[in-house]
Amino acid sequence: EPEVTQTPSHQVTQMGQEVILRCVPISNHLYFYWYRQILGQKVEFLVSFYNNEISEKSEIFDDQFSVERPDGSNFTLKIRSTKLEDSAMYFCASKDGGSPLHFGNGTRLTVT
Amino acid sequence: GNSVTQMEGPVTLSEEAFLTINCTYTATGYPSLFWYVQYPGEGLQLLLKATKADDKGSNKGFEATYRKETTSFHLEKGSVQVSDSAVYFCALSRNNQGGKLIFGQGTELSVKP
Repeated sequence: EPEVTQTPSHQVTQMGQEVILRCVPISNHLYFYWYRQILGQKVEFLVSFYNNEISEKSEIFDDQFSVERPDGSNFTLKIRSTKLEDSAMYFCASKDGGSPLHFGNGTRLTVT
Repeated sequence: GNSVTQMEGPVTLSEEAFLTINCTYTATGYPSLFWYVQYPGEGLQLLLKATKADDKGSNKGFEATYRKETTSFHLEKGSVQVSDSAVYFCALSRNNQGGKLIFGQGTELSVKP
């Protein structure tokens, strides 16, 4: 069964550094999402992306965050200048029009 | 605003015990409701869903009924197995597409042999 693939599984970065989290959605999917889960808290929606543009974003998704689909297969989340509170598990997800969301296994981001 | 509340975990049961994980929601309009499961080291997987009141979602022996009058979507299974040990998330979507989800906090289930 096709899967959403996220790399790396664990990323450690220093405060103030830029980080890029990578995702390969399922190949025929058209809708892409990022969610995050801070340890001990709920899984939170960050952003949705369709037709090469952001379709919706949450209050969390401020100017420090950006998403990109640089080619036909990758979907990236960039955090420009990481803060300690950005430490979380980040989940990528994708879907086509009628399917449920398919999630990746997540990238654990640790900001020191 | 829209929100989902789940019972606190962790829940520890013996194999073949009956499982209930409570989930209640607050939403405007007519949301769709979902249960997702996360096995250790894996991503979230859709377990079941219901898109309108009185619908029952079911999968792998799990069931949940969309109760509009009590704004609930409790997850049940008659006889749990060790392999059901996972974290279970209740979620809602404001439409039946299930893209942008609002999650509960998750309930960890541990089933002992």
